[in-house]
Amino acid sequence: RKEVEQDPGPFNVPEGATVAFNCTYSNSASQSFFWYRQDCRKEPKLLMSVYSSGNEDGRFTAQLNRASQYISLLIRDSKLSDSATYLCVVPGNTGKLIFGQGTTLQVKP
Amino acid sequence: GAVVSQHPSRVICKSGTSVKIECRSLDFQATTMFWYRQFPKQSLMLMATSNEGSKATYEQGVEKDKFLINHASLTLSTLTVTSAHPEDSSFYICSARGFGGTGVNTEAFFGQGTRLTVV
Repeated sequence: RKEVEQDPGPFNVPEGATVAFNCTYSNSASQSFFWYRQDCRKEPKLLMSVYSSGNEDGRFTAQLNRASQYISLLIRDSKLSDSATYLCVVPGNTGKLIFGQGTTLQVKP
Repeated sequence: GAVVSQHPSRVICKSGTSVKIECRSLDFQATTMFWYRQFPKQSLMLMATSNEGSKATYEQGVEKDKFLINHASLTLSTLTVTSAHPEDSSFYICSARGFGGTGVNTEAFFGQGTRLTVV
């Protein structure tokens, strides 16, 4: 099992749609989780941090399910500008960050 | 938020030459920096963990003699790709984490990345 696993997609959705991505992780001792957004040929930028059961920021909601070892990212009212690759990131035991392969979202007009 | 500056953003070099990439934390001290590479349409793959004042820790399969890492100060880490070959062409990104009150669970801040093309 990969340390961090995501469905690569792509997810093609119309503007205004609600879309959700899941990410599973193998290290049950992980205490924090991150969602990063990466635009083409750019560096990743932090979108949300998840330290407990979940986090909400505007149209974005991240939820954590420790029992099943997955985190999800929900985007409501999708905008064209939300088109990007969303990376699930989990710190490893030595402090290094383990990246999922990313989920590509394409929002269509 | 914290800023990490990476330079150069783009470099083209000839096969056999060496290229140095710099990563600086501008407003915080980074005792540990991480170097990643990313091939097209793939995720970031950790190459090595750079520790200030000590040798870097390389991931399995990464040649330490080819990818030289130096972390001489709390704000600067460098990656040197030695004797570059076309297959080394990739997007290289550094990141640094703040190990403050929240310990190892803080987010990482990324440099802008360096697109290396070896011809």
